[in-house]
Amino acid sequence: IAGITQAPTSQILAAGRRMTLRCTQDMRHNAMYWYRQDLGLGLRLIHYSNTAGTTGKGEVPDGYSVSRANTDDFPLTLASAVPSQTSVYFCASSGAGGQPGELFFGEGSRLTVL
Amino acid sequence: GQNIDQPTEMTATEGAIVQINCTYQTSGFNGLFWYQQHAGEAPTFLSYNVLDGLEEKGRFSSFLSRSKGYSYLLLKELQMKDSASYLCAVEDSNYQLIWGAGTKLIIKP
Repeated sequence: IAGITQAPTSQILAAGRRMTLRCTQDMRHNAMYWYRQDLGLGLRLIHYSNTAGTTGKGEVPDGYSVSRANTDDFPLTLASAVPSQTSVYFCASSGAGGQPGELFFGEGSRLTVL
Repeated sequence: GQNIDQPTEMTATEGAIVQINCTYQTSGFNGLFWYQQHAGEAPTFLSYNVLDGLEEKGRFSSFLSRSKGYSYLLLKELQMKDSASYLCAVEDSNYQLIWGAGTKLIIKP
């Protein structure tokens, strides 16, 4: 089934630990995004990539890093997790096959940092 | 700053009509999106407006007035499965999406 796959779906993590959230898409979309979603707030963009080999900072990039070695994969790394990074993380992509600017989302990764 | 406002929660009755409003103040405008998000799931695309007026798609319609910085999502013949959060998002002049906090719609029998 075409789409975006995120892993893990849920994780509890001790503060200070390193964590990588994985995201893979098979739609050959050029653009990919990482958002966090917190209760009472809109989706906030962490990092994005317009094409393989390039990345950019979003609204809330501090404490996070990304890489885009190829078109399909866009992992998000928390170098040293803190409790304020407890959130639901969504990976998304956009490209041919949808409305202009339409995003296709993964199912989300629920991260709890203790 | 950039801002998207929508009501936090609304309640409606099965079979009725509900209108969810969204007002925005952004740096430029390249389009407005509505997404549906069921609890615990990913957002899914509903509609896209870039010109003033009404876009109809089955039971769902979306309206845009760029001069007023205003949009609404109209849901007709409400069904229990329409219980979800509805997210309004505007694409600004830098082609970045600015998201509202979402409106939780509760449908009662």
